[in-house]
Amino acid sequence: RKEVEQDPGPFNVPEGATVAFNCTYSNSASQSFFWYRQDCRKEPKLLMSVYSSGNEDGRFTAQLNRASQYISLLIRDSKLSDSATYLCVVNRAGNNRKLIWGLGTSLAVNP
Amino acid sequence: NAGVMQNPRHLVRRRGQEARLRCSPMKGHSHVYWYRQLPEEGLKFMVYLQKENIIDESGMPKERFSAEFPKEGPSILRIQQVVRGDSAAYFCASSPLEGGLRSYNEQFFGPGTRLTVL
Repeated sequence: RKEVEQDPGPFNVPEGATVAFNCTYSNSASQSFFWYRQDCRKEPKLLMSVYSSGNEDGRFTAQLNRASQYISLLIRDSKLSDSATYLCVVNRAGNNRKLIWGLGTSLAVNP
Repeated sequence: NAGVMQNPRHLVRRRGQEARLRCSPMKGHSHVYWYRQLPEEGLKFMVYLQKENIIDESGMPKERFSAEFPKEGPSILRIQQVVRGDSAAYFCASSPLEGGLRSYNEQFFGPGTRLTVL
């Protein structure tokens, strides 16, 4: 089983749609959780950290379920510029700085 | 505050040559991470370093690859005797020394070096 698993997609949605991505991780000792986005042939960019209580940043909402070892990202009112690959990232364990990267979920927002 | 800088952005080498990739972390960041991304594949961790120390090199190939982060100057990823399979995008990221569990694990990426081996 992979340490971080994501549905690769692609997700094709119209502008204005709401889309949700899910991610599972295998190590119950992981303590840091992130969503990054990566545009084609560009570097990954931090979208948001994921807190235990869930957090929101504008149109983006992230949730963490430690019991199920599950992270989600919800994007409301999708824009064309949201088209990218979304990467789920967790740290190995505890204070370990090594991050484990999912393979990403591809999103295409269509006009 | 300048972001993570990498150079060169593009590097072409012939088989058997050496490739040197450089990374300057964000100001105030103490840790540097190197990743490799093959076309159409995910990001693969290679190594992470603090000044003058390799902390975790579990993702580095056993031969031909080495990394350093000297007291002065950028971090260097060195690939000796390159082969066609080394062609990839190499990304560097950095993170701060302290700041609480969340912030010091946040990594900020440079634009990458695209290595092409002919």
